[in-house]
Amino acid sequence: SQQGEEDPQALSIQEGENATMNCSYKTSINNLQWYRQNSGRGLVHLILIRSNEREKHSGRLRVTLDTSKKSSSLLITASRAADTASYFCATAMEYGNKLVFGAGTILRVKS
Amino acid sequence: DAGITQSPRHKVTETGTPVTLRCHQTENHRYMYWYRQDPGHGLRLIHYSYGVKDTDKGEVSDGYSVSRSKTEDFLLTLESATSSQTSVYFCAISESQATNEKLFFGSGTQLSVL
Repeated sequence: SQQGEEDPQALSIQEGENATMNCSYKTSINNLQWYRQNSGRGLVHLILIRSNEREKHSGRLRVTLDTSKKSSSLLITASRAADTASYFCATAMEYGNKLVFGAGTILRVKS
Repeated sequence: DAGITQSPRHKVTETGTPVTLRCHQTENHRYMYWYRQDPGHGLRLIHYSYGVKDTDKGEVSDGYSVSRSKTEDFLLTLESATSSQTSVYFCAISESQATNEKLFFGSGTQLSVL
């Protein structure tokens, strides 16, 4: 069964707008990671946030983590057409050595 | 794609035949993983390796076997392919345990079992 579940499943916005994707998970984690996948390509790591962190930034990306609600959000500010991709959250369990991926959010940025 | 090569990139095979997918890395990373990606399921871990000749099962390992005889190569074998194994297969590597480190992914292998 999936540990992380993204919401929404699909998102369509205009260029310049912000995009927010959410991830919920079920069990305690060591860290949570976000990945991007362009069509026909492998996944690319975006950002890793550890369980003792609440917020992290990387360029136009902002990730928050709320361990009490077992949820995370990924915010992409000032989106561009090139941000069109699928975005996945992946949770690293507190015990064990595997990453578990959610089903992803498909983001479409219209120019 | 971070020095990871998957081969073949595309394969069509028939039910009941054995199939081997290869993952080759030039990063000298200790950990290697095989995932499959299916619509609505995200990526699911098939098998992983934490060193030469050291492998373990993931959540969807039935019908698959793996081997790692060299640091740089991780092979995934479908012993007798079935239509349910039609999928996109991704290899990934990490320097240390995935729970502490990000993964680097290959470009994937599209496998169709007819």
